[in-house]
Amino acid sequence: DAGVIQSPRHEVTEMGQEVTLRCKPISGHDYLFWYRQTMMRGLELLIYFNNNVPIDDSGMPEDRFSAKMPNASFSTLKIQPSEPRDSAVYFCASSFSSYNSPLHFGNGTRLTVT
Amino acid sequence: GENVEQHPSTLSVQEGDSAVIKCTYSDSASNYFPWYKQELGKRPQLIIDIRSNVGEKKDQRIAVTLNKTAKHFSLHITETQPEDSAVYFCAASMGDTGGFKTIFGAGTRLFVKA
Repeated sequence: DAGVIQSPRHEVTEMGQEVTLRCKPISGHDYLFWYRQTMMRGLELLIYFNNNVPIDDSGMPEDRFSAKMPNASFSTLKIQPSEPRDSAVYFCASSFSSYNSPLHFGNGTRLTVT
Repeated sequence: GENVEQHPSTLSVQEGDSAVIKCTYSDSASNYFPWYKQELGKRPQLIIDIRSNVGEKKDQRIAVTLNKTAKHFSLHITETQPEDSAVYFCAASMGDTGGFKTIFGAGTRLFVKA
C-alpha cells in the first residue's frame, strides 16, 4: 500500500483565498483524522470521520474551516477565507476501526498564507 | 476532555546514554498509549505502543512503561544514537461516542550528541 496520500505537499496563498487540502486514506481503514501542527500548539486534532461520517469536529477552529469525506477513499479540508494564522502543517491520518490501532500519517501539507 | 502533558520539552544526551520522556494523562478512560517519532520535515511515525492491560513493553532499545493508577507513562531509549535525534510525541487514545480519538502531548525534542 502507498500509505496515506496528501496533496499538495506545499501551498502558498494570499490572505482571503480559498484553500483545499486533499487526503486519500489507506485502503480498508475506516477512520480518518485531520490534524494541524504548529510550533506553538503542537499536534491538534481538528476533526475525524468514521465510515465517512464526521464524528467529532470540536477541534475545528472556526467556521472558516470545513471538512468532507464523500467516500471511503477521499477527504478534503477547506479553509475559506484563509488567514495568515492558518499557516501550519496539516496532517491527515487513517486507522483501523479500533481505539487501540495506531494512526498512519500522510506526509502533510505545509500551508503558508501571506 | 483528555489532556496529555509531556516532559521535558527538550532533552540533550550524549551518544550511548539513556533518554527518558514522561507523560501524564487526565482521562482514566484512556486505554491505548502510542509513541510517535517525527524527524525534521517528516510525518510522525509509530515507534512503540502499550495497551492498558500491560505495564511494560520493550522493543530492542526502546521500552515503554505504564502506571494506570498514577495516569502516567514513560518512554525509555537506551544506548542512544545520533539517528535517535527527533521529536517524540506521546499520545493517549480512548473510545468516544461513535468512535475514538487520539490526543497528543506537546512533544520532546531529543538531541543525541556524537
